[in-house]
Amino acid sequence: KQEVTQIPAALSVPEGENLVLNCSFTDSAIYNLQWFRQDPGKGLTSLLLIQSSQREQTSGRLNASLDKSSGRSTLYIAASQPGDSATYLCAVGYSTLTFGKGTMLLVSP
Amino acid sequence: EPEVTQTPSHQVTQMGQEVILRCVPISNHLYFYWYRQILGQKVEFLVSFYNNEISEKSEIFDDQFSVERPDGSNFTLKIRSTKLEDSAMYFCASSVFENTEAFFGQGTRLTVV
Repeated sequence: KQEVTQIPAALSVPEGENLVLNCSFTDSAIYNLQWFRQDPGKGLTSLLLIQSSQREQTSGRLNASLDKSSGRSTLYIAASQPGDSATYLCAVGYSTLTFGKGTMLLVSP
Repeated sequence: EPEVTQTPSHQVTQMGQEVILRCVPISNHLYFYWYRQILGQKVEFLVSFYNNEISEKSEIFDDQFSVERPDGSNFTLKIRSTKLEDSAMYFCASSVFENTEAFFGQGTRLTVV
């Protein structure tokens, strides 16, 4: 059974810092890895999808990498802003997704 | 930009009552999903739906749950007899194909009292 773990559970940084969020999964035979953002009490906003044949994806200040052999993915956020404050979720799967518990990020002005 | 829409945003129901949660997936998407998130816990998969039938379901999706696509646009989740432990945020999602990016709605917060 696939297990997804995200470290750290919470992170607080000052505005402008570059930061890395980590995601690990137990079954490396994954097809896709997707990063989401969740604001308090809200839905999930898709940030990036990395398909199994890819090693990284970039969108604006976000860069996600995937290393299937080690069962890890990282989400890099450059020049963090207060508006980046949210919970970031990692999910893996082919059709159905298995989620981690998320990293709660707080970026202070 | 196309989005998945869910109604209602919040529903309060008494234990034992039936509830129907509604979703309008993105129009050209073929795969539809329901997930739930109990407060403070992980998002969990419930069921996937393709070509008017369930393609996969989790252990959570027991006989109390059912899904339906009653017309060309809506996708519903019915809970026949709600329990206190059904209280959660329920998310609908859709994707073009089964291994492509999944887009989620804003969720319906179900509170069973």
